[in-house]
Amino acid sequence: SQQGEEDPQALSIQEGENATMNCSYKTSINNLQWYRQNSGRGLVHLILIRSNEREKHSGRLRVTLDTSKKSSSLLITASRAADTASYFCATEIDGNKLVFGAGTILRVKS
Amino acid sequence: NAGVTQTPKFQVLKTGQSMTLQCAQDMNHEYMSWYRQDPGMGLRLIHYSVGAGITDQGEVPNGYNVSRSTTEDFPLRLLSAAPSQTSVYFCASSPWGSGANVLTFGAGSRLTVL
Repeated sequence: SQQGEEDPQALSIQEGENATMNCSYKTSINNLQWYRQNSGRGLVHLILIRSNEREKHSGRLRVTLDTSKKSSSLLITASRAADTASYFCATEIDGNKLVFGAGTILRVKS
Repeated sequence: NAGVTQTPKFQVLKTGQSMTLQCAQDMNHEYMSWYRQDPGMGLRLIHYSVGAGITDQGEVPNGYNVSRSTTEDFPLRLLSAAPSQTSVYFCASSPWGSGANVLTFGAGSRLTVL
């Protein structure tokens, strides 16, 4: 069973708009990570937020974490066509296993 | 600095054949892992290793073997390929003990089993 589940499954926006995707998880975590995957490529780490943090920024990325609701959101501001990719949340369980959700497919139209 | 290198990039097998997917990293990472990615299911952990000589099972280990004789290499063996093993396989590594398991991924190996 998957620990993390992203919502929505797919998102299509215009260039310049903001994109928000959400991740829900089931068990207690030490940290939550977001990864990006461009078509046909490996995943690339974007940002990590620890369980004692509520919000974190990296460039145009903003991640929030609500441990009481077991959920996280990734906001990409002022999106670009190059942001078109799949985005995955991942949670660390059992001290070493990183479990991924099914991902959100983001399409940014220019 | 090559990062994580996977070979081959593409492979077609017949049911029952065996093969090995190679993974090598040059970052001196202690942690290495194998995932498979299927449409609509995200990535699922097959096997992982926290150091040379140490391996453990992930979510979907059946039909796969691994070994870790060196820090750099973590091959994944398919003993008797089945159509259900058609997938894209990713190897990933991280510097174990850093307080968080941030993975560096290879480019993937696409396997088709006929």
